[in-house]
Formats: sequence, structure tokens, C-alpha cells
Amino acid sequence: KQEVTQIPAALSVPEGENLVLNCSFTDSAIYNLQWFRQDPGKGLTSLLLIQSSQREQTSGRLNASLDKSSGRSTLYIAASQPGDSATYLCAVSDLTGGGNKLTFGTGTQLKVEL
Amino acid sequence: NAGVTQTPKFRVLKTGQSMTLLCAQDMNHEYMYWYRQDPGMGLRLIHYSVGEGTTAKGEVPDGYNVSRLKKQNFLLGLESAAPSQTSVYFCASRRDNTEAFFGQGTRLTVV
Repeated sequence: KQEVTQIPAALSVPEGENLVLNCSFTDSAIYNLQWFRQDPGKGLTSLLLIQSSQREQTSGRLNASLDKSSGRSTLYIAASQPGDSATYLCAVSDLTGGGNKLTFGTGTQLKVEL
Repeated sequence: NAGVTQTPKFRVLKTGQSMTLLCAQDMNHEYMYWYRQDPGMGLRLIHYSVGEGTTAKGEVPDGYNVSRLKKQNFLLGLESAAPSQTSVYFCASRRDNTEAFFGQGTRLTVV
């Protein structure tokens, strides 16, 4: 059974700092990995999708990397802003059941302070 | 483009009552999912569908039923609601193994 872990569970940083969020998964046979953002009381917003054949994806100040062999992904946020405060979730789509399911980590709650 | 729409957004049920949550997507996606989100537990998969007329059990299917009679709609039913089903329910859809899109959630309270 695929298990996804995100460390740390919570993180507080001053505005302007660069930061890294971590995601690890136990079964490396994945199709892809997706990073989401969730604001309080809201749904999930997709940030980046990395296919298993890719090493990284970039969107603006966000960069996600994938090391499938070691079962790890990182989300790098450059020059953090208070508007980046949210919970960040990673999810993997693995080969179990034909790659049809998404398995989520429990998230990292980020607070960017002025 | 509405994306993924969930109905209703909020609901309070009494123990034993039944209800249906509706998820509608306008992106012609094959795959649709129902998750529940609870504090400290993350998102857990209830049921999913890989196409019209198909459904499959996820991690926590007990107490729920689903139907996918039309490609754009995925219904989640609670036959006899229990307090343990108090949660926030999210629907998602995607095309094969591509980017998943989520609805805004349904906050359900069972008293």
C-alpha cells in the first residue's frame, strides 16, 4: 500500500525567505506526483504535476523536483510572500490498480509572516 | 468553464437520514473521485470511477454508495448517516493520469 509522508507538518517563515517542502512516498512505481495548495475552508488548487519520467517542473516562484528511485519530491518556493500562506499537499498516482488512484500526504501548513 | 462543481456546499443531517452529494464536471474527464478530509487524517479516498457506468471502492468505502450514470456526474450517497461521517467531502476529476481538479467541497455535519 502506498504511503505518502510530508515533513514538516507546519512551518513558519519570515517574508522573503526561500523554503523547501518535502514529500516522500513508499512505492516508487508511480505515474506522476502532483502538488496542491489548499486555503482554509477551500478546495485544492493544483500547482505542479511531475510525470515519472521528469525530474522537475517550474511555475513562477515554484519549483518541484522528483527523485522517483528514492521516493522523494520537494517543492521549492522562492522569495516567499504572506499570500503563500496555505496548506501544501502532495499526491502520487501509482501503478496499484492501474494508476487510477491518487494517494495524498497529510500536508504542510505554511505561514509566511510579515 | 465551471470545472468541478459540488452540490450542496453545506448540509446538516440527523443520524439515520440519507442524502446524496452531487459532483459535476464539464471537462469530459474519464476519472472521478470522492474523498473525505478530516483533521489529522488528510484526504482519504472513498470511491472512484474510471468511466461512465463504472465504480470502485477506495480506502474508506463503508457507509457510502456511488453511481456514475453519466460521464459528467458522480454521485455519492449516504444511506443512513452516522456522526462518524461528519467531514468535508471533496470531488475530483482528471483525464487518465494527468492533472486532477477538485471541487470546493461539501461540509457535512451529522448530529
